[in-house]
Amino acid sequence: GNSVTQMEGPVTLSEEAFLTINCTYTATGYPSLFWYVQYPGEGLQLLLKATKADDKGSNKGFEATYRKETTSFHLEKGSVQVSDSAVYFCALSDQAPETSGSRLTFGEGTQLTVNP
Amino acid sequence: SQTIHQWPATLVQPVGSPLSLECTVEGTSNPNLYWYRQAAGRGLQLLFYSVGIGQISSEVPQNLSASRPQDRQFILSSKKLLLSDSGFYLCAWSAHKIFTEKLFFGSGTQLSVL
Repeated sequence: GNSVTQMEGPVTLSEEAFLTINCTYTATGYPSLFWYVQYPGEGLQLLLKATKADDKGSNKGFEATYRKETTSFHLEKGSVQVSDSAVYFCALSDQAPETSGSRLTFGEGTQLTVNP
Repeated sequence: SQTIHQWPATLVQPVGSPLSLECTVEGTSNPNLYWYRQAAGRGLQLLFYSVGIGQISSEVPQNLSASRPQDRQFILSSKKLLLSDSGFYLCAWSAHKIFTEKLFFGSGTQLSVL
């Protein structure tokens, strides 16, 4: 079955540091890959996505590249801010994201704290 | 250790029929509970959350309702399903303060309304 393995947290960084949160997956076929984020006081929301190999998803300065050869989708940001403090979830879907009800499999989540 | 159970895994229902999806958490007390739905092209959408027994907050107007009859039980219901209710529904829980803790997800229910 599908599974997502995510870097264990918590991760604590200073402002303007480089961020990497590792994510690897196991899936049959060609899944779509996602990063979700939960900011304090808010519900989970989609951060970025990639639907095929070598696609790069990006949003708010975050990037992740769909690497089929290494089955990875690592989240990166060149310079983090205090406002990036949140919990980050890697996820995969075995159907196209435009399809209503695509089954999602989540990683465990990584707590990121950015200090001023 | 804490576990979350969600059932059924797959459900096919006719339009106009009722719905009841159940979620239970074990190994913790007074969890925050959530129902999410995978919305087409939008990723997960928060439907309901609960901080305690009988306390339900709704995030979006819709055909669904939620109830929390016991501390570790969260139920998603509908009296009459619509086609647009089809989707993938996820239950989740967190400890302590709402929306600030790491979420733990159930395995989800794939609902098809025909």
